[in-house]
Amino acid sequence: GQNIDQPTEMTATEGAIVQINCTYQTSGFNGLFWYQQHAGEAPTFLSYNVLDGLEEKGRFSSFLSRSKGYSYLLLKELQMKDSASYLCAVRDTINDYKLSFGAGTTVTVRA
Amino acid sequence: EAQVTQNPRYLITVTGKKLTVTCSQNMNHEYMSWYRQDPGLGLRQIYYSMNVEVTDKGDVPEGYKVSRKEKRNFPLILESPSPNQTSLYFCASSLGLGGPYEQYFGPGTRLTVT
Repeated sequence: GQNIDQPTEMTATEGAIVQINCTYQTSGFNGLFWYQQHAGEAPTFLSYNVLDGLEEKGRFSSFLSRSKGYSYLLLKELQMKDSASYLCAVRDTINDYKLSFGAGTTVTVRA
Repeated sequence: EAQVTQNPRYLITVTGKKLTVTCSQNMNHEYMSWYRQDPGLGLRQIYYSMNVEVTDKGDVPEGYKVSRKEKRNFPLILESPSPNQTSLYFCASSLGLGGPYEQYFGPGTRLTVT
C-alpha cells in the first residue's frame, strides 16, 4: 500500500498563511489530490497535481515534486471557515488506480 | 443536481443483525467505492467497483460485501455486524480511473454497532 504522511494538527490566525505538507511513497504515481473535510461532513475536492510545480486556485495553491515524493497545500488569507481537516490522497497505477488517503491535517483558524 | 446519496445517514444496531447501506449516484460514473473513516486512521477503502458486475477488495474488506448490479447503485452489506465496524462510512464515485477525475463523496453514514 501507500505510505502517506501529513501533520496531525496546525493552528493559524485569521488572515495568515498556512502550509500543509504531505510526503508519500508509491510506485506508478498517477496524481495527488487534496480534499477539504469539515467536521461531520463529506470530503470535497480542492486540487489535483500530476506534474511538478504549483497549481493555483484562488486562495488555495498546491505544489508537487514527484522526485521528492512531496506535496504541499498552501492556504492564504485564512478565514474562519477554512477550519477543517485537509486530506492528501495519492493515486497509483499499480493498484487499479486506487486512491489512498493520508490521515488528514486538522487546521484551526483563530481570530 | 449531481450528487451521491447514502441511506441511512445514522444507524444504531446490534451485533449480528444484517444491514445494508445504500449508495446511489446520478452522474453516470463508472467507478464507485466505499470507505470507512476512523479517528487517526483517515479514509480506508473497503471495496470498489470499476463497472457493473466488476468489484474488488480494497484495504479493509473483511466483514463487508458489495454488489454492483446497476451502474448507479453500489450497496454495502454487513452480514453480521460487530462493534469494530462502528465507524463513519462514505460512498464515492468518479467518472473514470486515472487523470484528473476526482471522487465525489456521499454525505456519510454514521454506524454504531452495540
